[in-house]
Amino acid sequence: DTEVTQTPKHLVMGMTNKKSLKCEQHMGHRAMYWYKQKAKKPPELMFVYSYEKLSINESVPSRFSPECPNSSLLNLHLHALQPEDSALYLCASSQPTGGVGYTFGSGTRLTVV
Amino acid sequence: ELKVEQNPLFLSMQEGKNYTIYCNYSTTSDRLYWYRQDPGKSLESLFVLLSNGAVKQEGRLMASLDTKARLSTLHITAAVHDLSATYFCAALRSNTGNQFYFGTGTSLTVIP
Repeated sequence: DTEVTQTPKHLVMGMTNKKSLKCEQHMGHRAMYWYKQKAKKPPELMFVYSYEKLSINESVPSRFSPECPNSSLLNLHLHALQPEDSALYLCASSQPTGGVGYTFGSGTRLTVV
Repeated sequence: ELKVEQNPLFLSMQEGKNYTIYCNYSTTSDRLYWYRQDPGKSLESLFVLLSNGAVKQEGRLMASLDTKARLSTLHITAAVHDLSATYFCAALRSNTGNQFYFGTGTSLTVIP
């Protein structure tokens, strides 16, 4: 069982839709991350939250909007996405200093049509 | 920026053989991590290497870290089909605290 839970596992959305990806961790970690991964490529960092504050935004388009309501929850709000945004979206958590590494959620497979 | 390179990118090996995957990184990093990813799945943590000279082993996999050479290796001993997956190394950028930089990945296929 993963200790980082992502929902939904699969999502198909149109380019005019608004949807949200959700991530929850119960590991007591104070850093949470969103990554985007295209097929056969390494994960690409999108956002980092440390102590519920956005600390890194890797020049992600504004159609992706992160939110960290509390230390256990991380959301990614999606609006007006493009087909090229189709990918596996991974949430991860860790201690703020990196510690023993990230724990990844199972991911959300997003398809934009 | 911390750059992390792996080689080879693709590896096809016969069952029972040994091989090594290399992970080089460009600037100071105190910690190196190895992950495994099966097709369509998330990343599973394999090893955490926290200091120069660290060596960790689990089953047929052994990882090592040389911070002076900025090199980590993942050695596969007597490969079996179940090891087929993509393997990523990731370096922690020291002065940012928690930002990982992933290597390009090595897609391993073990054939009978």
